[in-house]
Amino acid sequence: DQQVKQNSPSLSVQEGRISILNCDYTNSMFDYFLWYKKYPAEGPTFLISISSIKDKNEDGRFTVFLNKSAKHLSLHIVPSQPGDSAVYFCAPTTSGTYKYIFGTGTRLKVLA
Amino acid sequence: NAGVMQNPRHLVRRRGQEARLRCSPMKGHSHVYWYRQLPEEGLKFMVYLQKENIIDESGMPKERFSAEFPKEGPSILRIQQVVRGDSAAYFCASSPTSYETQYFGPGTRLLVL
Repeated sequence: DQQVKQNSPSLSVQEGRISILNCDYTNSMFDYFLWYKKYPAEGPTFLISISSIKDKNEDGRFTVFLNKSAKHLSLHIVPSQPGDSAVYFCAPTTSGTYKYIFGTGTRLKVLA
Repeated sequence: NAGVMQNPRHLVRRRGQEARLRCSPMKGHSHVYWYRQLPEEGLKFMVYLQKENIIDESGMPKERFSAEFPKEGPSILRIQQVVRGDSAAYFCASSPTSYETQYFGPGTRLLVL
């Protein structure tokens, strides 16, 4: 049951450039979308979220874009920094519920 | 304000033994969730608990797995008669209410020999 897909298992970006991580979903009931960052041997850390009533949410260097018609969201990191190197998971859910459906993650490597 | 705490961080068990994983939620959080991450996969929901109540265990395997969140003390995920396929990272998360953002602990890495 692949409700959430992150089709790029890994991504390498030069420091200072933009990182774009993508996430596609199939369940039209999802209306709240979260991104988590995970370092090795640590738990996921909440990064940013977006509600389906918006198409963009920005927090510092991180911006999430939502395209509801395409059932697609993306996370932009600009400028990318070496400390951003981690695995990024998108986790859509239905607001008012507690079950997050995690994608398989994208491993981002920011090269100094 | 301490985050979600999990122990042990690493646990090695032989097939047939029992594994007990503990989770202390963030202060002020009474909602606890357990997730499992198999190698090369995303996190999968297992169970949602509030104090003394299991609210949703739809993601738990039907046999050998159980969870509790007593009135006092941490939440415990218990796996009886472990098998090699139980080897995974088990993450606990907590939130102040069921519809607020979940915050994750560092996880317990279970290895079954």
